[in-house]
Amino acid sequence: AQTVTQSQPEMSVQEAETVTLSCTYDTSENNYYLFWYKQPPSRQMILVIRQEAYKQQNATENRFSVNFQKAAKSFSLKISDSQLGDTAMYFCAFMNPAGTGANSKLTFGKGITLSVRP
Amino acid sequence: KAGVTQTPRYLIKTRGQQVTLSCSPISGHRSVSWYQQTPGQGLQFLFEYFSETQRNKGNFPGRFSGRQFSNSRSEMNVSTLELGDSALYLCASSWTSGTDIQETQYFGPGTRLLVL
Repeated sequence: AQTVTQSQPEMSVQEAETVTLSCTYDTSENNYYLFWYKQPPSRQMILVIRQEAYKQQNATENRFSVNFQKAAKSFSLKISDSQLGDTAMYFCAFMNPAGTGANSKLTFGKGITLSVRP
Repeated sequence: KAGVTQTPRYLIKTRGQQVTLSCSPISGHRSVSWYQQTPGQGLQFLFEYFSETQRNKGNFPGRFSGRQFSNSRSEMNVSTLELGDSALYLCASSWTSGTDIQETQYFGPGTRLLVL
């Protein structure tokens, strides 16, 4: 079974600065997807970024980028130029889309609460 | 495109009752997944429906059930409610061709269920 670990329960960053959120995972699969979702106080789960394991290039979406280290099974999220609206809970998630035990389910980490200070 | 919608947004029930939650996926999405979110257990996968068939199931008791209609809308039902069923229930939809390759899941706003 796959597991996703987010060891930092809380982080705080000054507005306009950069912050990195950590995530590690465990799997024996070679092909999988990784995601970062954001859940603001409204509780709406919003997709931030997605990474396919077969792609060597790290995914980026505007101010959001990832550092994907497949061998180390690490998937961190970097938020540049932090904004007050980035205040939310961030979840790292894993999906095994094919192969043995192919499954559509997302396996989530426990999440990290990020606070952006003005 | 309209996003995933869930109704109702809030529910208060008492122990022993049953509840039905509804989810309408993004237009064109044929896969609907359900998740339970609690402070203690975090986000847990309940089940996934595709083409009116349950394709995957998480580790929840049989009191939790679901179904999908021909228009891809989905409902989940919880019978004989327990206090521990109090949670945010999230629905997510994705486009899939039906093969093993799954696409990104987009979430609805959730239904907050309180069991007294």
